[in-house]
Amino acid sequence: GAVVSQHPSRVICKSGTSVKIECRSLDFQATTMFWYRQFPKQSLMLMATSNEGSKATYEQGVEKDKFLINHASLTLSTLTVTSAHPEDSSFYICSARREGAGNEQFFGPGTRLTVL
Amino acid sequence: EDQVTQSPEALRLQEGESSSLNCSYTVSGLRGLFWYRQDPGKGPEFLFTLYSAGEEKEKERLKATLTKKESFLHITAPKPEDSATYLCAAYNAGNNRKLIWGLGTSLAVNP
Repeated sequence: GAVVSQHPSRVICKSGTSVKIECRSLDFQATTMFWYRQFPKQSLMLMATSNEGSKATYEQGVEKDKFLINHASLTLSTLTVTSAHPEDSSFYICSARREGAGNEQFFGPGTRLTVL
Repeated sequence: EDQVTQSPEALRLQEGESSSLNCSYTVSGLRGLFWYRQDPGKGPEFLFTLYSAGEEKEKERLKATLTKKESFLHITAPKPEDSATYLCAAYNAGNNRKLIWGLGTSLAVNP
């Protein structure tokens, strides 16, 4: 299989606090992981590409200092939303690319962030 | 500019009523066409990858096909549990190696 876990599944925090979301590939190694954001009834919006052992590549309009990404191992990437504000409330989903002929991305179950 | 367009935006079927979802793409250097299923409040679930025109893949009631310009997801005799949003994405093996996503088709199957 190709299982990706994400933790936590749901988090509620106060404005101004930081929140860390973990993404793990459980049964394969992932040199590359991706972080997406999804608004209600909209498609996935890529925020950044996370590369193991190097800096993440952010999409245009995504603040690097706001959304800190660390890809410390071949099975773990973390997204930290710093100084969260209500407008950061969203559904955050990670994916991990399984290298090889298919290059399929396998997704985690998502994290629902609510900033009060 | 690389682009993926899905149609229809929404589709309502009766149980057992077969239909097809469309994914049109204009992508330079296509290296794969992916189909995912997404249930509300969950991450997308991988369904198929297609690589070349003429290729077909099947899984239960679903069959995906690919031409040089579009892909179809055929749903045969759907059941209510097939209700979900179906997402199509194209893999561009160029400099950015990102998936280019369509906006999805929301499928509802009535019992």
